[in-house]
Amino acid sequence: AQTVTQSQPEMSVQEAETVTLSCTYDTSESNYYLFWYKQPPSRQMILVIRQEAYKQQNATENRFSVNFQKAAKSFSLKISDSQLGDTAMYFCAFMNGNTDKLIFGTGTRLQVFP
Amino acid sequence: NAGVTQTPKFQVLKTGQSMTLQCAQDMNHNSMYWYRQDPGMGLRLIYYSASEGTTDKGEVPNGYNVSRLNKREFSLRLESAAPSQTSVYFCASRGTLAGGYNEQFFGPGTRLTVL
Repeated sequence: AQTVTQSQPEMSVQEAETVTLSCTYDTSESNYYLFWYKQPPSRQMILVIRQEAYKQQNATENRFSVNFQKAAKSFSLKISDSQLGDTAMYFCAFMNGNTDKLIFGTGTRLQVFP
Repeated sequence: NAGVTQTPKFQVLKTGQSMTLQCAQDMNHNSMYWYRQDPGMGLRLIYYSASEGTTDKGEVPNGYNVSRLNKREFSLRLESAAPSQTSVYFCASRGTLAGGYNEQFFGPGTRLTVL
């Protein structure tokens, strides 16, 4: 069975600084996808970034980038130039490419301070 | 496009009462899902439907039933609510975008309290 582990329950960062959120996963599959979702106080789940396991290049989306280490089964999220609006829960998620199921980690609560 | 919509947004039930959570999507997606979110637990899959007319159990299906009414709608029913079902419920749908990405789009959630 696949599992997703986020070992940092809470993180904080000052505005304009950089922060990295950690995620590790366990799977024996070779075809899979990894995601980071943001959940602000509004509760809406917002996709931040995605990574296909077969791609070696790390995904980037503006201020958000990932460090995908396939052999180590690690998938960390880096937020550069942090903004107050980045304050939210962040969930790492895994999807087996052969099934329809997303498996989520327990989340990291990020607080951005002015 | 409204995306994924859920009704109601909030609900309070007494133990033993029944209710149905409604979900609809207007993105012509085949796959739809129901999750629950509990504090410190992340989201866990209750049921999913890979296509109209099919449903399958997820990680935590006990106490729930689902109906895939048509391609747009996927409802979640609690036949006899229990306090352990107090949670936030999310519906999601999945489409395959150009390039083969598999992204799930989420509704705004329903906060359910069972007294």
